Amino acid sequence: KQEVTQIPAALSVPEGENLVLNCSFTDSAIYNLQWFRQDPGKGLTSLLLIQSSQREQTSGRLNASLDKSSGRSTLYIAASQPGDSATYLCAVGRNYGQNFVFGPGTRLSVLP
Amino acid sequence: GAGVSQSPRYKVAKRGQDVALRCDPISGHVSLFWYQQALGQGPEFLTYFQNEAQLDKSGLPSDRFFAERPEGSVSTLKIQRTQQEDSAVYLCASSLARQRLHEQFFGPGTRLTVL
Repeated sequence: KQEVTQIPAALSVPEGENLVLNCSFTDSAIYNLQWFRQDPGKGLTSLLLIQSSQREQTSGRLNASLDKSSGRSTLYIAASQPGDSATYLCAVGRNYGQNFVFGPGTRLSVLP
Repeated sequence: GAGVSQSPRYKVAKRGQDVALRCDPISGHVSLFWYQQALGQGPEFLTYFQNEAQLDKSGLPSDRFFAERPEGSVSTLKIQRTQQEDSAVYLCASSLARQRLHEQFFGPGTRLTVL
């Protein structure tokens, strides 16, 4: 059974810092991996989708990497802003089935 | 364009009541997913539709949970005889492609509270 963990559970940083969020998964036979952000009381917003054949994806100040063999993905946020404050979730797409398996999320607070 | 919408946004039910939660996916999206998200946790998969066919319902926690998508567009998740442990946010997501695990787009969720 695929299990997904995220470290840290919560993170508080001053504005302007670069930061890394970590996601680990137990079964390396994945199809893809997607990073989301979730604002309080809201649904999930897709940030980056990495296919299993890719090693990274970039969008603006965000960069996500994938290392299938070690079962890890990282989300790098450059020059953090207070508007980045949210919960960040990683979700792993399995090689069988259609759904994603989600981690518990990292709650990020960027202080002005 | 319009995203995924869900209604109601909030629902309070007394234990034992039946509830129905609605999801309107993005127009033209073939795949539709339901997830359950408990407080402080990530979403957990409930069920998946491709058009009107329910291809995977392995995540439904009990036979009190039932989902349908009769015309391949709007979907309804029904929970019968609600219990307190059913309290959660129910998220709906849709995806354009038939191919496995295309990017999913989520609705705002329905927060269900069972008293």
